[in-house]
Amino acid sequence: QVQLVQSGTEVKKPGASVKVSCKASGFSFTSYGITWVRQAPGQGLEWMGWITTYNDKTKYDQKFQDRVTMTADTSTNTAYMELRSLRSDDTAVYYCARVPGYSFGFAPWGQGTLVTVSS
Amino acid sequence: QSVLTQPPSVSGAPGQRVTISCTGNSSNIGAGYDVHWYQQLPGTAPKLVIYGDNNRPSGVPDRFSGSKSGTSASLAITGLQAEDEAYYYCQSYDSSLSGSGVFGGGTRLTVL
Repeated sequence: QVQLVQSGTEVKKPGASVKVSCKASGFSFTSYGITWVRQAPGQGLEWMGWITTYNDKTKYDQKFQDRVTMTADTSTNTAYMELRSLRSDDTAVYYCARVPGYSFGFAPWGQGTLVTVSS
Repeated sequence: QSVLTQPPSVSGAPGQRVTISCTGNSSNIGAGYDVHWYQQLPGTAPKLVIYGDNNRPSGVPDRFSGSKSGTSASLAITGLQAEDEAYYYCQSYDSSLSGSGVFGGGTRLTVL
């Protein structure tokens, strides 16, 4: 079945970087984009950006433009999101999701990866 | 502060109909971008329940419906069931943010 499986929980110190993976199965990886969304504890959803996997074109939200890099490895059907210069307010669950385009919504979603930033 | 505005909470009794509003402006919903709705149960990832303003993905009950007019959109749930108790988020895109994705702040639906 169509599925996205993310890497496990991360604990990082302020100033460090984290790289979260999202492995796709059950569909043609290069026919879809992958978007990344985060959710801080007790808060709503926040869009971070997306990557079109067939040509590695990316679009990032202005808030993360200087600190995030999204990549895709078509040989392993895996997308990655790296966030640098971590701060305590980056503590959140990070989700990946498949996106066909502007008119189709994000589905399915990965199970989420908790990233905790603490000294 | 979210770009799209939703009420913090709504409630209804089993069997009733509830609606959740999502208000934007001329740069997002009013610019013609499609609106999508997600359901998030406690401790789980969001799930798409409406895409493209008013389309249901396979497997989503027809009790869920969406609509859009001008700069606002709505999610309606009829025949409310206990299992519908969750957070609901609207999502679209914004041309003033160079086409970035935007979410509403989320609405907590309580089934009384």
